[in-house]
Amino acid sequence: GAVVSQHPSRVICKSGTSVKIECRSLDFQATTMFWYRQFPKQSLMLMATSNEGSKATYEQGVEKDKFLINHASLTLSTLTVTSAHPEDSSFYICSAPSGTGLYEQYFGPGTRLTVT
Amino acid sequence: AQSVTQPDIHITVSEGASLELRCNYSYGATPYLFWYVQSPGQGLQLLLKYFSGDTLVQGIKGFEAEFKRSQSSFNLRKPSVHWSDAAEYFCAGTGGFKTIFGAGTRLFVKA
Repeated sequence: GAVVSQHPSRVICKSGTSVKIECRSLDFQATTMFWYRQFPKQSLMLMATSNEGSKATYEQGVEKDKFLINHASLTLSTLTVTSAHPEDSSFYICSAPSGTGLYEQYFGPGTRLTVT
Repeated sequence: AQSVTQPDIHITVSEGASLELRCNYSYGATPYLFWYVQSPGQGLQLLLKYFSGDTLVQGIKGFEAEFKRSQSSFNLRKPSVHWSDAAEYFCAGTGGFKTIFGAGTRLFVKA
């Protein structure tokens, strides 16, 4: 089946630095990808929709200047957390719709970000 | 507003016992519904999905779910739980683009 990968799986960075998370669709093309954030013991909250060749669409309350999204190709979307702070520590998950439509998604394994 | 509700934050069942995880949805029309399972520190794995047709849906790992329009529910069931089923379970719905997740239900399995 379709696979979505994320890199890195875990990252620790210092407060004030930036960190980039990659999301790749390995055997299919994805013009749209979704980025979610999950706090411990909580559900997934959609942060933004990444669109290949155009600007990302951010959900209400998500700072677009802090969470930079780039969808450079049909198989790669990146999320950059700029000037990270400890409150940005979270589990970030990306997903890509299946080729049958936008209803079913394939999820990446997630990236654990810890900001010290 | 569209929403997906999982009333139970956590559930504990004995190994071998049956399981039912509740999910209720609120959408203008019938959404597409999903159940996912997440092990600690892992991504989400799709257990099953409902788009239309037969209201009893079979999934992987022996799970099934029943769509009940009259109750706006899509409860997940398993007749006999295994210790390896201990995980977080998410119900999710989509009206065609964005997916909305329930808060999740943590399943504990006791020997």
